[in-house]
Amino acid sequence: DAKTTQPTSMDCAEGRAANLPCNHSTISGNEYVYWYRQIHSQGPQYIIHGLKNNETNEMASLIITEDRKSSTLILPHATLRDTAVYYCIVRVAYGNTGKLIFGQGTTLQVKP
Amino acid sequence: SAVISQKPSRDICQRGTSLTIQCQVDSQVTMMFWYRQQPGQSLTLIATANQGSEATYESGFVIDKFPISRPNLTFSTLTVSNMSPEDSSIYLCSAVVGAGNTEAFFGQGTRLTVV
Repeated sequence: DAKTTQPTSMDCAEGRAANLPCNHSTISGNEYVYWYRQIHSQGPQYIIHGLKNNETNEMASLIITEDRKSSTLILPHATLRDTAVYYCIVRVAYGNTGKLIFGQGTTLQVKP
Repeated sequence: SAVISQKPSRDICQRGTSLTIQCQVDSQVTMMFWYRQQPGQSLTLIATANQGSEATYESGFVIDKFPISRPNLTFSTLTVSNMSPEDSSIYLCSAVVGAGNTEAFFGQGTRLTVV
């Protein structure tokens, strides 16, 4: 079973920040938080990942709480092309098969 | 990074037949995986494709139904055997480059319809 809990759906106005929450209360010390998204009819796309520090790249920012039991993916200026299903996944990075176990994700609808 | 190509991109098959899906990666990868995505659902991991040995299947998936090959570091096949309409899904190939804390890449999927 997936180890994360996400809201089923969210809306965001175009140009505004989209904040997608994820709960992972049973995360282990050696597990990373990964975010992927799947735009309709495409394969999943990697967004960002982190262990305990906040991370930022050209696509998004990842904020992980100090106790690591939850995180938030931030898309700073959402566009219509960001409409997708967003998956939060916890994954052991080292000494693991590297497999990703997907939950149900959050469907983000960006509206004009 | 890695670019993953899957063939065919889509197919319509008769029940009782088998379909083999090919996955080709443009660089050597450490791990390859096969997923299924049923209509309106999330991705479910079928198995890890191991180079030169039998695949490692997740609970609920068996080799007789989903035989997998991985003859080298860049290529894998998934066969969907004795198909029924319930096998209608998108099948996706995934690969990890390098070891440890690295991202997984995905193909665009094979959309299978069984009639």
